[in-house]
Amino acid sequence: ETGVTQSPTHLIKTRGQQVTLRCSSQSGHNTVSWYQQALGQGPQFIFQYYREEENGRGNFPPRFSGLQFPNYSSELNVNALELDDSALYLCASSLGGSGGTEAFFGQGTRLTVV
Amino acid sequence: AQRVTQPEKLLSVFKGAPVELKCNYSYSGSPELFWYVQYSRQRLQLLLRHISRESIKGFTADLNKGETSFHLKKPFAQEEDSAMYYCALHRYNQGGKLIFGQGTELSVKP
Repeated sequence: ETGVTQSPTHLIKTRGQQVTLRCSSQSGHNTVSWYQQALGQGPQFIFQYYREEENGRGNFPPRFSGLQFPNYSSELNVNALELDDSALYLCASSLGGSGGTEAFFGQGTRLTVV
Repeated sequence: AQRVTQPEKLLSVFKGAPVELKCNYSYSGSPELFWYVQYSRQRLQLLLRHISRESIKGFTADLNKGETSFHLKKPFAQEEDSAMYYCALHRYNQGGKLIFGQGTELSVKP
């Protein structure tokens, strides 16, 4: 059984650019959630995908968007990057759209916007 | 509004001392509460959840709905318990959204 993997591990972008982060869910999991973790803070929910459909969204602007593919891997896209987007982005996979089961986290992608 | 509060950013204890990491929540329905842990250079992982009533690595947590608390306790801390601990709340019918507290760093000194 493979765990949740995220790529890349680190990324530096310039303000105004666009970025795509990737996540491979754990084998057998059909639900992927994305979180943003700013320095010194707990993770904040961005959105969740269940069977390729968005299934819940947190308080993030529309320039944060996502996709889930038939193999349940997922992408997080952020347009028009701002300095405040600098953070650790975490992906978590679970089984079931209600998310009542355990969420397994990836190691994260550290995004720095300069 | 749904919120999770961990009042202590840092908790420092000596090995063998009791530990209590505080977590308070606000939620209008029936919450599902979790404790997640992140050891140095490792990914975030589930430590325990209130519905399972398990004791993991000697840690326990009881949901107190009257006080809206879910404090994490261990009677005798070990050096390997040093880590970041996050309390999280799961909202039913909300797509599995986890609401995290800001975390408490536990440092267990020898």
